[in-house]
Amino acid sequence: RKEVEQDPGPFNVPEGATVAFNCTYSNSASQSFFWYRQDCRKEPKLLMSVYSSGNEDGRFTAQLNRASQYISLLIRDSKLSDSATYLCVAYTNAGKSTFGDGTTLTVKP
Amino acid sequence: SAVISQKPSRDICQRGTSLTIQCQVDSQVTMMFWYRQQPGQSLTLIATANQGSEATYESGFVIDKFPISRPNLTFSTLTVSNMSPEDSSIYLCSGTGGSGELFFGEGSRLTVL
Repeated sequence: RKEVEQDPGPFNVPEGATVAFNCTYSNSASQSFFWYRQDCRKEPKLLMSVYSSGNEDGRFTAQLNRASQYISLLIRDSKLSDSATYLCVAYTNAGKSTFGDGTTLTVKP
Repeated sequence: SAVISQKPSRDICQRGTSLTIQCQVDSQVTMMFWYRQQPGQSLTLIATANQGSEATYESGFVIDKFPISRPNLTFSTLTVSNMSPEDSSIYLCSGTGGSGELFFGEGSRLTVL
């Protein structure tokens, strides 16, 4: 079993749709969690950190459930420019980041 | 976050040769890492580049194949030695901020013939 697992998708949604991505992690020593966005042939870029209390950044909402070892990302009012691969990452205080395989999103007109 | 300049951005190499990838950060960072991303897959950590000492390698990666240098807090190199077609991949260097978030260089796309 992988340490960080994501639904690979692909998710194909129309503009304006709401889409949710899920991620689970198995290492209970994981302390911090992040969502990254990776565009085709580009490096990953930090989208947002994930906190137990939930955090929102514009159309994006991230949530962490430590008891279930589950992380989510919700995108509202999808834009064409949201099309990308979204990577879930678990970080331990030993300095190690483990990446999920990514979820591919395509937003269509 | 800091900015990482990585080069070369891409290269095509012959089997059996070696390639060194360089990363320069515009500010001092405590930790730097080297990742590999094979086509259609996610990132796999190769090693942690330790300043002034030997890198810490993950399972499946060894120093003879992937020697790493980090002479100071802003610079690191990764060498892919005795390359084979299986080494064709994107290699990414990264640094970490204060809370574990990573920022990446633009990647080096390596093709081995």
